[in-house]
Amino acid sequence: SAVISQKPSRDICQRGTSLTIQCQVDSQVTMMFWYRQQPGQSLTLIATANQGSEATYESGFVIDKFPISRPNLTFSTLTVSNMSPEDSSIYLCSFRTGANYGYTFGSGTRLTVV
Amino acid sequence: SQELEQSPQSLIVQEGKNLTINCTSSKTLYGLYWYKQKYGEGLIFLMMLQKGGEEKSHEKITAKLDEKKQQSSLHITASQPSHAGIYLCGAPSYSGAGSYQLTFGKGTKLSVIP
Repeated sequence: SAVISQKPSRDICQRGTSLTIQCQVDSQVTMMFWYRQQPGQSLTLIATANQGSEATYESGFVIDKFPISRPNLTFSTLTVSNMSPEDSSIYLCSFRTGANYGYTFGSGTRLTVV
Repeated sequence: SQELEQSPQSLIVQEGKNLTINCTSSKTLYGLYWYKQKYGEGLIFLMMLQKGGEEKSHEKITAKLDEKKQQSSLHITASQPSHAGIYLCGAPSYSGAGSYQLTFGKGTKLSVIP
């Protein structure tokens, strides 16, 4: 089954700065999903990224804050912009593996904003 | 929108004991995924259920979807410290353009005491 490589695994950032998270898949996938998991909470979908078009954002998330790139079918990035301590979370990318294998998730990026 | 309620929120069991985690949906489920997350890491796919009354097992973990397809349970037999983590149920919902996104429950935190 396909594998996602997510980087960085963790980072500590100063408020006001930006961090770009990368996800690389070892095969082509149509849709990639970006999730946020705030401390002690479940996963919340940020946006869905399709190659060649703008990402679709969920309610409460905007492109200026979380710009996403999807330059090809194996790669995507999520940028957390102008960070504040409230952005401290785990960020995960995901794609649908297939009809019978569920969705595969990256190993997550643990972000701490100080 | 679909909501998933998991119970219990947390669980502490003695090694060797059996346990059950429940996931109840506000709407009919067209699929139900179970994942395990080790603290601060990505999600590991456990099982997917689609049909009412379906039951699947892998090693010591059994998942069931009820006939009405609104509730699922995850049962662990003879728990081990390696079973510790956060268990999440997720249900697909159509997000447009032929894609399905996952909505997750809040998770059940399992601790296994040696």
